[in-house]
Amino acid sequence: RKEVEQDPGPFNVPEGATVAFNCTYSNSASQSFFWYRQDCRKEPKLLMSVYSSGNEDGRFTAQLNRASQYISLLIRDSKLSDSATYLCVVTGGANNLFFGTGTRLTVIP
Amino acid sequence: SQTIHQWPATLVQPVGSPLSLECTVEGTSNPNLYWYRQAAGRGLQLLFYSVGIGQISSEVPQNLSASRPQDRQFILSSKKLLLSDSGFYLCAWSPGTSYEQYFGPGTRLTVT
Repeated sequence: RKEVEQDPGPFNVPEGATVAFNCTYSNSASQSFFWYRQDCRKEPKLLMSVYSSGNEDGRFTAQLNRASQYISLLIRDSKLSDSATYLCVVTGGANNLFFGTGTRLTVIP
Repeated sequence: SQTIHQWPATLVQPVGSPLSLECTVEGTSNPNLYWYRQAAGRGLQLLFYSVGIGQISSEVPQNLSASRPQDRQFILSSKKLLLSDSGFYLCAWSPGTSYEQYFGPGTRLTVT
């Protein structure tokens, strides 16, 4: 079983729409969780950390459900510039991170 | 602020040739350093990580090796490249006091 599983998409949404991505992880001992964004042929960039209480950064909201081992990312009022692949990331052992294969989002004008 | 550099940006090498990719970090001391590979349409695969000079941990046995000759320098090498070594090689650093990792711009390697 993969450490992190994501729906690969693609998600094609119109500008202004709200879109949600989900992710499940297998290691119940994971302590830290993140969402990264990766543009085509570029490096992944940290979008936000995910806290147990849930957290929001502008149009982005991340939530964690430890009991279900489930992480989500909600994007409100989608912009064309949000088009990218979103990677769900959880910690493993020894400072390592496990990356999901990503969910591809295309925001359509 | 911290910055991470990788070079070269792109590389085309024949099968059987050697490889050396370099990564340097500025603006921080004693970072944890990582090498990842991302094959086309695939997720990130951790290859090596290092918590200090000369300390290398390998995650996947293969024909690649890594070295950390200085605190903020991380090198990925191979003596003989295989076709399967093609991919996008990413170096990353983390402060060691938290888990977030920050990536360099990557090297796109094509083995022909």
